[in-house]
Amino acid sequence: SAVISQKPSRDICQRGTSLTIQCQVDSQVTMMFWYRQQPGQSLTLIATANQGSEATYESGFVIDKFPISRPNLTFSTLTVSNMSPEDSSIYLCSVYGGSGDTQYFGPGTRLTVL
Amino acid sequence: GENVEQHPSTLSVQEGDSAVIKCTYSDSASNYFPWYKQELGKRPQLIIDIRSNVGEKKDQRIAVTLNKTAKHFSLHITETQPEDSAVYFCAATRGGGADGLTFGKGTHLIIQP
Repeated sequence: SAVISQKPSRDICQRGTSLTIQCQVDSQVTMMFWYRQQPGQSLTLIATANQGSEATYESGFVIDKFPISRPNLTFSTLTVSNMSPEDSSIYLCSVYGGSGDTQYFGPGTRLTVL
Repeated sequence: GENVEQHPSTLSVQEGDSAVIKCTYSDSASNYFPWYKQELGKRPQLIIDIRSNVGEKKDQRIAVTLNKTAKHFSLHITETQPEDSAVYFCAATRGGGADGLTFGKGTHLIIQP
């Protein structure tokens, strides 16, 4: 399967600031997604990162709060804007179409907002 | 949109016994159903998946069954071992896996020695 890395692996941020999370894949993939996993909870899809166009957001998530870029077939960023303690979560990217026809997850970024 | 229900939320079994986790989904157009295992502090790992054109799939001690009519699918783990202890998530989606996944709430599987 594709090797997926995320940066940073964890961060502690002050409320009102923004953090950009990077997701890098070692091979070209068809699809990239961003998920959120709140402490002790399941995974929730934030958006599909579309290469060369605006991301497709799920209900409850908006571009102003979670701007996403995908400039090529191996890289995507998720920004968490104007953070509040409620944004404290693990943010995971997943990829589809690199090898095999299933989704694989990156290691996640653990975000704590104070 | 899709809604996935997962039961039970916690399952404790004796080592060597079998474990069964059940999920139901709401979207009849969903055609891909993966299962992920997540150990504490780690990323979800795919352990098995099934597509809507088959009713059952096995991989060693793990099997998944799918009933499209009833819109439910189940994970079966036989001869459980301590390393099977983890949180298990079911998911469903359209597009054969190329669409975003809707997850169940997870099952914490505890293997008692």
